[in-house]
Amino acid sequence: EMQLVESGGVVVQPGGSLRLSCAASGFTFDDYTMHWVRQAPGKGLEWVSLISWDGGSTYYADSVKGRFTISRDNRKNSLYLQMKSLRTEDTALYYCAKSAAVGHFDCWGQGTLVTVSS
Amino acid sequence: EIVLTQSPGTLSLSPGERATLSCRASQSVSGSYLAWYQQKPGQAPSLLIYGASSRATGVPDRFSGSGSGTDFTLTISRLEPEDFAVYYCQQYGSSPPWTFGQGTKVEIK
Repeated sequence: EMQLVESGGVVVQPGGSLRLSCAASGFTFDDYTMHWVRQAPGKGLEWVSLISWDGGSTYYADSVKGRFTISRDNRKNSLYLQMKSLRTEDTALYYCAKSAAVGHFDCWGQGTLVTVSS
Repeated sequence: EIVLTQSPGTLSLSPGERATLSCRASQSVSGSYLAWYQQKPGQAPSLLIYGASSRATGVPDRFSGSGSGTDFTLTISRLEPEDFAVYYCQQYGSSPPWTFGQGTKVEIK
């Protein structure tokens, strides 16, 4: 069974930094593009970033470009999101998601909560 | 960036009724790369439909998707109690950013 488990979410002050992790199991991790998606409290889903199977291509939403960095370690079956210069509007539940071969998201983690507050 | 607009924002229906949810794109979605997700309170989203009309594994056949270009529809033929949730459409076309609609809440009338 495919599984994704996020970790690393905490309360952090504005301007601070944080690294989220996502541990994958139940599928061949290095075959697939991976994504981060976030959901602010009571709001909808916002795509944040993607990384190709080999880490060679990365893309970001304009709202996080230049502040967030996505990476992966295929030896450890893990996905990461390095977040810096955090703002209150970055407060959200952050999900990692697996891209199916065609591109839709066929597996989601349960999310890790990031709260940016002084 | 392709903007997805879902309507209505909230749909109030009774169990057994038919639900029709709309997702309209600001420009054509290439390859009908349009998915629908269901999210229940306190849970992660789960995939229902991909490629505009293909059901994901294990999804009951009361869920169906249709449409192409800029207009897409998710239909639930007969609502079961477990179907009351929020539904999101998403496009994953030719290039990022992938975008989601703002969601439609299906609530019990």
